[in-house]
Amino acid sequence: GENVEQHPSTLSVQEGDSAVIKCTYSDSASNYFPWYKQELGKRPQLIIDIRSNVGEKKDQRIAVTLNKTAKHFSLHITETQPEDSAVYFCAASRSGGYNKLIFGAGTRLAVHP
Amino acid sequence: EAQVTQNPRYLITVTGKKLTVTCSQNMNHEYMSWYRQDPGLGLRQIYYSMNVEVTDKGDVPEGYKVSRKEKRNFPLILESPSPNQTSLYFCASSSSGGRWEQYFGPGTRLTVT
Repeated sequence: GENVEQHPSTLSVQEGDSAVIKCTYSDSASNYFPWYKQELGKRPQLIIDIRSNVGEKKDQRIAVTLNKTAKHFSLHITETQPEDSAVYFCAASRSGGYNKLIFGAGTRLAVHP
Repeated sequence: EAQVTQNPRYLITVTGKKLTVTCSQNMNHEYMSWYRQDPGLGLRQIYYSMNVEVTDKGDVPEGYKVSRKEKRNFPLILESPSPNQTSLYFCASSSSGGRWEQYFGPGTRLTVT
């Protein structure tokens, strides 16, 4: 069945360093790849998303890259700050957000001052 | 304010006692979905609805029911809850056009003893 693998499961960095989280998807028909940030006790919140017709998207310190051939996509956070500490989930979907999101298992990011 | 609401936020119940978790959105979204979140498994879809009176199973539908009689509401029903349904539940909604983002509710933490 469809699945999304996410690595690493935990990531610890020093403040100011970069963090990279990688995901691989199995369904070649996927065309929408959002990233959600979930702080402790809170709901998942979208931080950035990318559609399959684009290879890269950037929003301030956050960027996402997509390699459709290899079926993987990555989240890059530069100049990390303690408030970036959270669990990050990647997801993949057909037909955009108007369809089931298949989530990765999550990455717990800890940014140490 | 555009939002997805869920009630109750916390619930402790006993095996076999029917319960309903409500979900409501005020964004006129067609698509609504229920996910459960368990440690190490990410979020998994339980049921979804593409519009009023249109519902379908997700990846883990066993033990759950849903209905979509009104566009804004999408309740999740557990007819006979069991301890393996102890989890954190999220409702989400999105539009069929424009932005593809799925908006999540605040979550319902359910414990079945």
